[in-house]
Amino acid sequence: KAGVTQTPRYLIKTRGQQVTLSCSPISGHRSVSWYQQTPGQGLQFLFEYFSETQRNKGNFPGRFSGRQFSNSRSEMNVSTLELGDSALYLCASASRGLAGGQDTQYFGPGTRLTVL
Amino acid sequence: AQSVTQLGSHVSVSEGALVLLRCNYSSSVPPYLFWYVQYPNQGLQLLLKYTSAATLVKGINGFEAEFKKSETSFHLTKPSAHMSDAAEYFCAVRSTGNQFYFGTGTSLTVIP
Repeated sequence: KAGVTQTPRYLIKTRGQQVTLSCSPISGHRSVSWYQQTPGQGLQFLFEYFSETQRNKGNFPGRFSGRQFSNSRSEMNVSTLELGDSALYLCASASRGLAGGQDTQYFGPGTRLTVL
Repeated sequence: AQSVTQLGSHVSVSEGALVLLRCNYSSSVPPYLFWYVQYPNQGLQLLLKYTSAATLVKGINGFEAEFKKSETSFHLTKPSAHMSDAAEYFCAVRSTGNQFYFGTGTSLTVIP
């Protein structure tokens, strides 16, 4: 079974631009969660989508948004990029997601975003 | 709010020595606890998870962790370190609000 895939793997943008990242979960998984990883803040939860609905949300500004399609693929969008948005963005898929008790999250390799 | 604390951002051990990575959690209810490993330029890989079925949890690559409620700890151990164990290790707790909270990570260096 194929793992979680994320595209692109690397991105370079300038301040003020917007960016869209994509995540394809493991086949059969309906939950996709997004995380931001930076050296200073570590791993921080952005949001979780389950069956096309945002089910959980972390403490990030509205510039960070996402969506999930009927095939469970998810996109994350960041508008009006700031230098501080430079990070590794990870997505994780799970069959039942964060409401699924011991349900395990499987992570993709991440998208490395650099904002200049 | 629930959280995890990983003591020691960097740990160095000699090849063949015991690996001990510390994790303490704060939770008012029995939590769901996880250990993940991250190799350079890769995502996180699940090592093991606490399911409340047993306090000693065995994971992949020879790692195990023991859940100690009295100490609110979930330390990760491996009897004999291998060079391939060098990586970043994260402890995580799943909150009652269904969010994952990760520790700040421990970078493990294995000295030949």
